[in-house]
Amino acid sequence: DTAVSQTPKYLVTQMGNDKSIKCEQNLGHDTMYWYKQDSKKFLKIMFSYNNKELIINETVPNRFSPKSPDKAHLNLHINSLELGDSAVYFCASSPLLNGELFFGEGSRLTVL
Amino acid sequence: EDQVTQSPEALRLQEGESSSLNCSYTVSGLRGLFWYRQDPGKGPEFLFTLYSAGEEKEKERLKATLTKKESFLHITAPKPEDSATYLCARPSAGTALIFGKGTTLSVSS
Repeated sequence: DTAVSQTPKYLVTQMGNDKSIKCEQNLGHDTMYWYKQDSKKFLKIMFSYNNKELIINETVPNRFSPKSPDKAHLNLHINSLELGDSAVYFCASSPLLNGELFFGEGSRLTVL
Repeated sequence: EDQVTQSPEALRLQEGESSSLNCSYTVSGLRGLFWYRQDPGKGPEFLFTLYSAGEEKEKERLKATLTKKESFLHITAPKPEDSATYLCARPSAGTALIFGKGTTLSVSS
């Protein structure tokens, strides 16, 4: 039973399209995150949600919009995709703010 | 600004050849130093959290230590299955962990 699951695992799309990535955690955690890992493997925080409320919104283009329908889900919608959006996007959850993170397997987005 | 710097960027070892990975951080009220392991195509997997200088934690062939300005991940007699990217992270001023760029370890038999 996967603790943090993301779908889809792979996503290939054209520039200008809109796409979504879904994340679900069954750990009962209050805090969820989206991280972006670029081609150099650098993990960078994008968004943080605590109890469905946005806590962190790092310098991310407005084309990225997270949405948390409930504590167990955090989705990421991306509008007007650009080549530079190609990366692996990781969802994570944590029982505490600034606590240990539990990561999903990642969603590899390729924009052509 | 909170920063985490890891070295070396890449490390190649022979099986059984012990070594250490370094993680240095800017000092602004450390609230934990985290180590993760990441295998290709997978999400990072939690290894250790250290909170105070002098603290040490061990797991199999790995031992993490913490000083006031840096942390070390010591790998004793590594095996090929220890090959992975090792990431360290610390809490930011907000609520997220800030990660270093990682050390990619390759252990050959």
